[in-house]
Amino acid sequence: AQKVTQAQTEISVVEKEDVTLDCVYETRDTTYYLFWYKQPPSGELVFLIRRNSFDEQNEISGRYSWNFQKSTSSFNFTITASQVVDSAVYFCALNILTGGGNKLTFGTGTQLKVEL
Amino acid sequence: KAGVTQTPRYLIKTRGQQVTLSCSPISGHRSVSWYQQTPGQGLQFLFEYFSETQRNKGNFPGRFSGRQFSNSRSEMNVSTLELGDSALYLCASSPASQMNTEAFFGQGTRLTVV
Repeated sequence: AQKVTQAQTEISVVEKEDVTLDCVYETRDTTYYLFWYKQPPSGELVFLIRRNSFDEQNEISGRYSWNFQKSTSSFNFTITASQVVDSAVYFCALNILTGGGNKLTFGTGTQLKVEL
Repeated sequence: KAGVTQTPRYLIKTRGQQVTLSCSPISGHRSVSWYQQTPGQGLQFLFEYFSETQRNKGNFPGRFSGRQFSNSRSEMNVSTLELGDSALYLCASSPASQMNTEAFFGQGTRLTVV
């Protein structure tokens, strides 16, 4: 069975601080995709990034960056110079090849609070 | 382009009743997935429909069912409601039914069972 662990339940930072959200996953499949989604108070999940199991290149998109390490089964997410608008719940998710289709296994989420 | 629309946004039902939730995906998307979000269990996959066929199913009792119409709109039904069914039900729409596909979520239906 698949599992995604986000050990950090809640993180509070002051604006402009950097913050890293941790994600550790478990799967026996060798082909899979990892995702990060953001859930603002309005409720809908917003897609941020996906990474396949064969691509360990780190990625940077503006203030966001992602570090994928297969050796430690981790897919961590860093926000540089955080802003109040970054306050939300962030979810890491996994989808595997076996069974096909869209069947995301989510972590329990990390509530990020960015204060002035 | 309109996003994913879920109706109703809020619902209060009594234990033992049944409920139907609706999801209209983004135009052109053929895959619709449903998730249940609760404080205790987090986000859990219910089922996925693609081209009117159930593609995947999560570990939920048979009281939870769904269907998809030819225009890709989907409904999910919960019969014999229990207090524990109180949750935010999220619908996600995708252009295809593949593991690498980005999912676009609606704002959800908040169901309260009393």
